[in-house]
Amino acid sequence: AQKVTQAQTEISVVEKEDVTLDCVYETRDTTYYLFWYKQPPSGELVFLIRRNSFDEQNEISGRYSWNFQKSTSSFNFTITASQVVDSAVYFCASLNSNSGYALNFGKGTSLLVTP
Amino acid sequence: DTEVTQTPKHLVMGMTNKKSLKCEQHMGHRAMYWYKQKAKKPPELMFVYSYEKLSINESVPSRFSPECPNSSLLNLHLHALQPEDSALYLCASSQGDWDSFSNYGYTFGSGTRLTVV
Repeated sequence: AQKVTQAQTEISVVEKEDVTLDCVYETRDTTYYLFWYKQPPSGELVFLIRRNSFDEQNEISGRYSWNFQKSTSSFNFTITASQVVDSAVYFCASLNSNSGYALNFGKGTSLLVTP
Repeated sequence: DTEVTQTPKHLVMGMTNKKSLKCEQHMGHRAMYWYKQKAKKPPELMFVYSYEKLSINESVPSRFSPECPNSSLLNLHLHALQPEDSALYLCASSQGDWDSFSNYGYTFGSGTRLTVV
């Protein structure tokens, strides 16, 4: 089974600061998928990105960027020029092929952006 | 339609009540999931239905009873719950096969916030 570790429990930044959320994964599979989700206080899980093991290209979407490095088993997420609306819990997750393609979530990182 | 719809959004029930949570999707997804999320914790898998058959039960107590009447609908029947079952219950769906995740992912509903009193 795959394991996802998000070592940062809580992060607090001031608006306009850049912030990086760390995600380290463990797997013995050669093919795997990784995800990032955002969960605002309202509770819904908002999909941010999916990455498969064959695609190590970094991704940028507006103020969001992702750095996928197989050499260090990391899939880190950076928010540039953070905004108050970025305050949420962010989950990194892996797809578990042994459990009906369920998602294994990390424990999440709670991000607070203050004005 | 690219949504998973969950009803109700909020539910308060007593320990002797029987209630049901409903989840619906019209994306043609063949796998549907129930997750439970306690406060300040990540979602945890409860059940997986694949092609309308229960494929995974993560040792969930029998007071939770899933049902998949058809490929678009997933129910979770609740009976004799305990206060510690209070949580956010999330439904999700996917195409249900490994290769499909290259182009498609998971879709989550907005959840049912359950309080057992």
